[in-house]
Amino acid sequence: EAQVTQNPRYLITVTGKKLTVTCSQNMNHEYMSWYRQDPGLGLRQIYYSMNVEVTDKGDVPEGYKVSRKEKRNFPLILESPSPNQTSLYFCASRTYRSDNQPQHFGDGTRLSIL
Amino acid sequence: QQQVKQSPQSLIVQKGGISIINCAYENTAFDYFPWYQQFPGKGPALLIAIRPDVSEKKEGRFTISFNKSAKQFSLHIMDSQPGDSATYFCAAKAGDNDMRFGAGTRLTVKP
Repeated sequence: EAQVTQNPRYLITVTGKKLTVTCSQNMNHEYMSWYRQDPGLGLRQIYYSMNVEVTDKGDVPEGYKVSRKEKRNFPLILESPSPNQTSLYFCASRTYRSDNQPQHFGDGTRLSIL
Repeated sequence: QQQVKQSPQSLIVQKGGISIINCAYENTAFDYFPWYQQFPGKGPALLIAIRPDVSEKKEGRFTISFNKSAKQFSLHIMDSQPGDSATYFCAAKAGDNDMRFGAGTRLTVKP
C-alpha cells in the first residue's frame, strides 16, 4: 500500500529536549515536505526537499532542521523545542514525473512542548 | 499573511443541501488550484483540482468553480452527506514548490 508514515503520532515533551519526527514514503517520490497545521492558519510549509541531499526552507523554518540522506526518508529535527512549536505536523511527498501530481500526506504527528 | 484566503471558517449544512466554500488569492503566478479533504486523525487528501484555463470542473457531487478575473475559486458539494463532514482546505500552487493553503473550513453535515 502506497503511504507516508510518520512516527511518533503523538509526543509530549519538555522545552529544550531534542526530538526527531521520522517520515518515510514507499512511493519512490522525489519531493518531500514538512508542514505544521495550526488553527486558523491552515498548513504552513516548514522545509521541503526536491531530492536526496537537496533541501530548502519553507515559510516557517525557524527552530527546525531536516535531512534527506535517502530518497524514502525525511526526518524533522527540533534541536531545542519550545512551546510555540506545539502543533500538528504533517509530512507529504509527491512525484515530479508528471505535472501537478497530488501530494500524499501522512496521518500527522501531534507535538506538545511543555 | 495568508496568500490564499478561505471562508467560511466553519459551515453547518443539512443533509441533502449544498455546501459552498470560497477562496481568493492575489498571486497571479498560481497555476494549479487543488482542494484537500481532511478527516479527524488523518492527513489531508486530494479531493479535486483545477487549472486556470477552465472555469469549472465536476467530479461526482464535487464541483470547483473558478473565476480567473476575480481571482476566486470555490468548492460546491451537492447533496451533502454526513460522511462529507470534514475539514476542507483550498490551495494554490506556482512552480515546483510554492503551494499555499487556505486556513481551512470545518464542514458539518447534519442528518
